[in-house]
Amino acid sequence: DAKTTQPNSMESNEEEPVHLPCNHSTISGTDYIHWYRQLPSQGPEYVIHGLTSNVNNRMASLAIAEDRKSSTLILHRATLRDAAVYYCILRDEKGGTSYGKLTFGQGTILTVHP
Amino acid sequence: NAGVTQTPKFQVLKTGQSMTLQCAQDMNHNSMYWYRQDPGMGLRLIYYSASEGTTDKGEVPNGYNVSRLNKREFSLRLESAAPSQTSVYFCASKKGQGGYEQYFGPGTRLTVT
Repeated sequence: DAKTTQPNSMESNEEEPVHLPCNHSTISGTDYIHWYRQLPSQGPEYVIHGLTSNVNNRMASLAIAEDRKSSTLILHRATLRDAAVYYCILRDEKGGTSYGKLTFGQGTILTVHP
Repeated sequence: NAGVTQTPKFQVLKTGQSMTLQCAQDMNHNSMYWYRQDPGMGLRLIYYSASEGTTDKGEVPNGYNVSRLNKREFSLRLESAAPSQTSVYFCASKKGQGGYEQYFGPGTRLTVT
């Protein structure tokens, strides 16, 4: 699986937007970009995923660079509940051979200040 | 809908003891997974089951066995626990082909002394 690089930690203030970057310079054409987050003492939860186009859902937006070598998870208005570890993961969907396996890095610890 | 449930929530074992971690999902998902998470680290895949009746090794399978009992249940067994297996264990499930989102359970915190 192609590797991703994320900052170890980021800080934000409540109600401000947060942009979480992820570099994936060796991404292949069939790699989807997935984001999960893990709140303290909980299992990870799915946030969003995309392939080439920018994506929006009720939790966040995903902006994917034109060359796909980087992406940014955008939380439009951070709340205290968004304090978590955010993981950017690439998953090869070609032919379904990955069987959904996720390879987690160390992620970015997001701290949200009141 | 309970989602993914895991039992027990906490367990302390002595070195050499055995135990089985239970996982069940009520979403009719085909694929199920076992991960472990060591302090300050991301999750690592132990075993997975792409569909009922199949299991495959993940990144760190040594010291573990699994059973896909039926479509709902996927258990993880430690035959002879070692201190290196002290970790938090997460079970997850996914719809299968065409499903992108993986759903995780609350975890089992295991300590081996």
